[in-house]
Formats: sequence, C-alpha cells, structure tokens
Amino acid sequence: DVKVTQSSRYLVKRTGEKVFLECVQDMDHENMFWYRQDPGLGLRLIYFSYDVKMKEKGDIPEGYSVSREKKERFSLILESASTNQTSMYLCASSSVGQGSNQPQHFGDGTRLSIL
Amino acid sequence: LAKTTQPISMDSYEGQEVNITCSHNNIATNDYITWYQQFPSQGPRFIIQGYKTKVTNEVASLFIPADRKSSTLSLPRVSLSDTAVYYCLVGDSSGYSTLTFGKGTMLLVSP
Repeated sequence: DVKVTQSSRYLVKRTGEKVFLECVQDMDHENMFWYRQDPGLGLRLIYFSYDVKMKEKGDIPEGYSVSREKKERFSLILESASTNQTSMYLCASSSVGQGSNQPQHFGDGTRLSIL
Repeated sequence: LAKTTQPISMDSYEGQEVNITCSHNNIATNDYITWYQQFPSQGPRFIIQGYKTKVTNEVASLFIPADRKSSTLSLPRVSLSDTAVYYCLVGDSSGYSTLTFGKGTMLLVSP
C-alpha cells in the first residue's frame, strides 16, 4: 500500500530555532509537496518538487525552504521559526503528470508548535 | 487559477445519500476534478477523480455536467464514519503552483 511517512506527529520548538520536517515516500513518486493547514484556511501549498534537487514555490513560501537530495525524501526547513508558523504541516506525493491530475497521497501530518 | 466553491458544512443522518456540489466556473480544458476526504488528525485521502460525465468507484460517485462548471460528489447511504471534511480540487494546467484545496465541506453524519 502507498505510504507517506512524516518523521514526527508532534513537535515543539522555540522562536528563532531552525526546524527540519522530514517526509519519506515509498512509491517512487516523482512529485512531492509540502502544505500547511490552519483552521478556516484549508490547505495551502508551501513548496513542491517534481524531481531530485528541483523545487518550486507554492502559494506561501516565505519563511520556508526545502531540500530534495533523494527521490524518496523531501524536507521542509524553517530557517528561523516564528510563532506564526505554528500549524499542521502535511506532506504529499504523486506520480508524474500535469498538476493535480495525478492523485496525491498524504502523510498524517506534523503538528508544529513554536513557542 | 481554477478556484472552487463548496458549502462550508452539511448535515445528514445515517443511511441517507449525501450530495456535495462544487462550483468551478473557470475550469480549464485539461483540468480534472478530484475529491479528497480528511478525518481529524489525518492527511487528506483521495476519493475519486473525473473529467466528464459520471465516475463511480466503491466509495462514491462523481457527476460532472457537460459544461464542467460544477461537479457533485455523491456518497450513498452514509454512516457515522463518513463524518469528515471533503475537498474539491480542480487541476490547473498552468502548473503545480496553482493547486488549491480550498476550505472544504464539513459533513456531519448523525445517528
């Protein structure tokens, strides 16, 4: 069965820290995505990657960066965490295709709190 | 950008059929319509996808009229476990960066 694994379900960090969120997929998918989900705002796309070492900005990339050194792993980095980055972070992957035509498979999310 | 509009919430009772409609007036020729389901503390899960007319799988049916400006997700005989948020997603051929899930429809199924 399809599996997208996020390294932590819950994470608490302090303002100013550098935070790494890790995501691994076992489906050999080309595309990987990072979203954040906030009450009343739905899912918003932060970054995505369609190949190793490739990345594209989503709708809200400010304050974030990403790394994709291997096909199966996509990391989200908060360079200097701030309280407004407290959120649920969701990773997803999909096979190659045009935009959202290919179904995305999601992990169960990381609930990140910045104090 | 093909934006979508869905009702914020819907209520139903066990055993009823539920229809959730999504409006996407500026859908592009190459766009597909995809629906996801999300339970609390979980990531969204793919339910069904279609391009035109009707698609059916073991979970739901998706009805798309000829003009494709809307779509309806139909859940037959819902149970309490169908209580979730349902998202309508329309692909945009201009690129990945325009993927938009929107706020979804919160479906509450009561006994």
